[in-house]
Amino acid sequence: DAKTTQPNSMESNEEEPVHLPCNHSTISGTDYIHWYRQLPSQGPEYVIHGLTSNVNNRMASLAIAEDRKSSTLILHRATLRDAAVYYCIPRNYGGSQGNLIFGKGTKLSVKP
Amino acid sequence: GAGVSQTPSNKVTEKGKYVELRCDPISGHTALYWYRQSLGQGPEFLIYFQGTGAADDSGLPNDRFFAVRPEGSVSTLKIQRTERGDSAVYLCASSPSFGRGYEQFFGPGTRLTVL
Repeated sequence: DAKTTQPNSMESNEEEPVHLPCNHSTISGTDYIHWYRQLPSQGPEYVIHGLTSNVNNRMASLAIAEDRKSSTLILHRATLRDAAVYYCIPRNYGGSQGNLIFGKGTKLSVKP
Repeated sequence: GAGVSQTPSNKVTEKGKYVELRCDPISGHTALYWYRQSLGQGPEFLIYFQGTGAADDSGLPNDRFFAVRPEGSVSTLKIQRTERGDSAVYLCASSPSFGRGYEQFFGPGTRLTVL
């Protein structure tokens, strides 16, 4: 599985956009890029995933670089509830094994 | 519908004791995963089940750890002769099937403290 590099922490103001970067330079051509987040005292929750094209859902947008060596999770308007640790996780769909491999993630703080 | 539930939410035990942690997955989910999370770290994979069988137990740290899922639904993680280093949050997740294409749904975790 590809290794990832994320900033340890980031800060944002409420109502402003947040761009959370992830480097995954060893990603393979069949690895999807998944993002999970973990709110305080809760288990992780799925946010979004993509392969090559940018993706949008009700929670966030995912922008994937053309060379796929990096991606950015975009929260369009941060709320206090978005304060969490965000994990970027490459996943290869070719195999049957399903466990997630978490790094340390980025701890996002949101200021009112 | 109901999400993944885990009991107890907190467990305090003494070094050397035996503990059981329970996970109730989302109904109909055939894949079930156990992870362990130490303070300041991301969750670490322990074991995963497809149905009743353990498909991959490569993450279990040693033979004091064991997990079962006898009827393909509820799972129990068992830790014998607990040590202080076993203190962590134990997370359970389920997904509709095995394979990397499926989103995992996590429970709130059991915080285990070994004194």
